[in-house]
Amino acid sequence: QKEVEQNSGPLSVPEGAIASLNCTYSDRGSQSFFWYRQYSGKSPELIMSIYSNGDKEDGRFTAQLNKASQYVSLLIRDSQPSDSATYLCASWGNYGQNFVFGPGTRLSVLP
Amino acid sequence: EAGVAQSPRYKIIEKRQSVAFWCNPISGHATLYWYQQILGQGPKLLIQFQNNGVVDDSQLPKDRFSAERLKGVDSTLKIQPAKLEDSAVYLCASSLVGTGVAFFGQGTRLTVV
Repeated sequence: QKEVEQNSGPLSVPEGAIASLNCTYSDRGSQSFFWYRQYSGKSPELIMSIYSNGDKEDGRFTAQLNKASQYVSLLIRDSQPSDSATYLCASWGNYGQNFVFGPGTRLSVLP
Repeated sequence: EAGVAQSPRYKIIEKRQSVAFWCNPISGHATLYWYQQILGQGPKLLIQFQNNGVVDDSQLPKDRFSAERLKGVDSTLKIQPAKLEDSAVYLCASSLVGTGVAFFGQGTRLTVV
């Protein structure tokens, strides 16, 4: 059973701080990892993808992957109230080619 | 570029009734997913199509749920008969084959009373 685990939160950070979201996965065959943001009542939207070990930066977002530890993280720098949402971590394996989503971490950025 | 289209947006039915949802993926996306998202949980895959073939339906409750994608484009998901625990948002997503990057539709919020 492929599983992706996340702390459900809520994670509260003050405006301007760094928010750190973490995710672990059970299937070592997973090839790719994604972070989706989901606002309340809306559908998930892709914000970051990462395929190889290390860091990947895109604007205020940095994704980190450590395949040996089966660990993925998302850092949000200079957090804004508009970043308040649920962040879903997902793994994807080439052989099955389907996504396994974690339960999501609810982030609240306080003005 | 048009996104993934779903309808209806909302549906309220009584238990034991039937309901159907429709999805039109992004043009050119051969892979189509149906997910069920219960409030407070992450999306759970129900079924994955590649063109008009089923890739994975291991978590689809086949005694009451069915899905088809006859011409490899649009898809319908049906529930018959519905149970109270089927109340959820049903999300359709699509992607190019082998990319792993999925785009979601707005979802259909189903309430079973």
